[in-house]
Amino acid sequence: GAVVSQHPSRVICKSGTSVKIECRSLDFQATTMFWYRQFPKQSLMLMATSNEGSKATYEQGVEKDKFLINHASLTLSTLTVTSAHPEDSSFYICSAIVGAETQYFGPGTRLLVL
Amino acid sequence: QKEVEQDPGPLSVPEGAIVSLNCTYSNSAFQYFMWYRQYSRKGPELLMYTYSSGNKEDGRFTAQVDKSSKYISLFIRDSQPSDSATYLCAMSAGTQGGSEKLVFGKGTKLTVNP
Repeated sequence: GAVVSQHPSRVICKSGTSVKIECRSLDFQATTMFWYRQFPKQSLMLMATSNEGSKATYEQGVEKDKFLINHASLTLSTLTVTSAHPEDSSFYICSAIVGAETQYFGPGTRLLVL
Repeated sequence: QKEVEQDPGPLSVPEGAIVSLNCTYSNSAFQYFMWYRQYSRKGPELLMYTYSSGNKEDGRFTAQVDKSSKYISLFIRDSQPSDSATYLCAMSAGTQGGSEKLVFGKGTKLTVNP
């Protein structure tokens, strides 16, 4: 199956700093990538849809100035959490579309903001 | 009413048991139905994918969709300890056949005891 990687797998940062998370499709080109957030014992919540070469589309309630998304190439999308606060601590997962039917997910990035 | 309802469990069964996992939904526009398996602190892994109503079988796994009842199921036969994970249902209305913007259930945590 299609492989999606994320880096880093885990990050701990101080409150007020910015954190960048990378999502890469390793063996395919993804025109669309998605960013999700998952709190403990909760389901995945879509944050934004990222299309290569265009601005991301954010879901209602997600601050676009706080969660900066860049999809610079067909194999890479980045999510930057700016001025992170403890309430931003969560499990961030990206996915990418293969063809037109299925999403393949990355292994996730666990963010802890102290 | 949430768009997708899934009993979070937890569900504990002995090895070899048949497991039944279910989700209900309210959006009649959903056409694409998926089951993901998520191990602790990992990204979701696609297990089964079904379009519209009907059954689909893959090894020990069978997915059923009943659009008239807005009800989907995943059956696991001869369950193994390695099946212990959280199972997430997901669905989408799609766009021209695509599976963008998945809506997830909360996930059911399954433990298969040896």
